[in-house]
Amino acid sequence: GESVGLHLPTLSVQEGDNSIINCAYSNSASDYFIWYKQESGKGPQFIIDIRSNMDKRQGQRVTVLLNKTVKHLSLQIAATQPGDSAVYFCAENSGANSKLTFGKGITLSVRP
Amino acid sequence: GAGVSQSPSNKVTEKGKDVELRCDPISGHTALYWYRQRLGQGLEFLIYFQGNSAPDKSGLPSDRFSAERTGESVSTLTIQRTQQEDSAVYLCASSPLGGWNEKLFFGSGTQLSVL
Repeated sequence: GESVGLHLPTLSVQEGDNSIINCAYSNSASDYFIWYKQESGKGPQFIIDIRSNMDKRQGQRVTVLLNKTVKHLSLQIAATQPGDSAVYFCAENSGANSKLTFGKGITLSVRP
Repeated sequence: GAGVSQSPSNKVTEKGKDVELRCDPISGHTALYWYRQRLGQGLEFLIYFQGNSAPDKSGLPSDRFSAERTGESVSTLTIQRTQQEDSAVYLCASSPLGGWNEKLFFGSGTQLSVL
């Protein structure tokens, strides 16, 4: 079956370093991807999205890269801060009448 | 309020009891979603409402689960005869038009604990 998954369950980075969170997807029909951040006790919060006709999109301190050849999505966070500590989810949608499918999430822990 | 509001924030119930969870979407959003999040897991789709269309119930795990929505406003998720495996955070989200390429705005969820 189709699935969206994350390579690593946890990631620990030093404050100030760059973070890279990776996600693999298996549905070649997926054409819209989103990264969400979920802090403890809160609902997921939108970070950045990308459509399949793009391979890179930048936001404030975040960049999403999409490699359709190998069905890989990554989220890069520049100059990671303590406030970036959270669980990060990638999600994908394969088009009309489809729903967002979420991966299991990866915990980002920022060391002071 | 400006965001998606869910109530109660926490619900503890006994096995076999019915529970009702409420979601107030962002005003003007036509699409509303319910997801379930078990501890340490990703989000599991339950049901989707889009305007006046028939809801997509394909994610409901059993007939003990049902949801209603009044127009384009409040939604309630009902779980009958709760079981311990129903314990999870139930998240509601809304989006402006329900398009496949729209981001969802989530509430903070209802933490359901079935004893």
